[in-house]
Amino acid sequence: QKEVEQNSGPLSVPEGAIASLNCTYSDRGSQSFFWYRQYSGKSPELIMFIYSNGDKEDGRFTAQLNKASQYVSLLIRDSQPSDSATYLCAVRIAGSARQLTFGSGTQLTVLP
Amino acid sequence: ETGVTQSPTHLIKTRGQQVTLRCSSQSGHNTVSWYQQALGQGPQFIFQYYREEENGRGNFPPRFSGLQFPNYSSELNVNALELDDSALYLCASSQGQKEETQYFGPGTRLLVL
Repeated sequence: QKEVEQNSGPLSVPEGAIASLNCTYSDRGSQSFFWYRQYSGKSPELIMFIYSNGDKEDGRFTAQLNKASQYVSLLIRDSQPSDSATYLCAVRIAGSARQLTFGSGTQLTVLP
Repeated sequence: ETGVTQSPTHLIKTRGQQVTLRCSSQSGHNTVSWYQQALGQGPQFIFQYYREEENGRGNFPPRFSGLQFPNYSSELNVNALELDDSALYLCASSQGQKEETQYFGPGTRLLVL
C-alpha cells in the first residue's frame, strides 16, 4: 500500500462547480498535510496546509482533515478553467525529518 | 514567485556522466530539501539539509549526494547517471524547525541519454 494515495483522474468539472479532490494516507502518526497545485511543466505551488481535524478555508479553497479516517480532501468552489492542473497531496509522516511524502496527484480539468 | 531559484533550468547528459544542480533558498530559510519528480508521478524525497548538515535521506543510492553552504544555498550531485535519472529535480526551502511549509523552486529538468 502506498503511503499517500490519490485518484489519478482525470477529474472533469464544469466551470462554476465544486471540485472535490481526495487523499488517503497510511501512517496514523502523520501530523501535517499539504495541498500543492502543479501546472503542466511547472513546479508545485502551495495552496494550503492543515494540521488539525476539521475544515480550513482560504478563499475558494477548503481543506478537510479527518485523522480517524486518515483522509484529507480539498474542495475548490466556483471552479475556473485556470484551476485546471494536477493537485498533489503531501503528508509529513511522524518521525521523519520534515520531509514530505507526496501522492501521485489528481489531474483536474475545469471545462468552460 | 517563491524566491527559490534553481539552475540550470534544463540539462542534457549522457549515461555515466556526473551532474551538479544548484538551488538558492528563499531569504530567511535555513532548510533545503531536494525531490525527484518523474513524469506522471509525485515528487520523491531525496534528502534534506538543515544548517549545512544532512537532516534526512530518502530511498536514493549514494551516488546522489549534496551539500549546503553557509548562505543556505545547496547543491545536488548525481554521479554515474542512469537513464532512469531523467526527471524534474525540485528544490524546496523552508524555515526548518520553526516552520515546515516548503516552497518549491522552478526545478531543473534533466534528460539522460
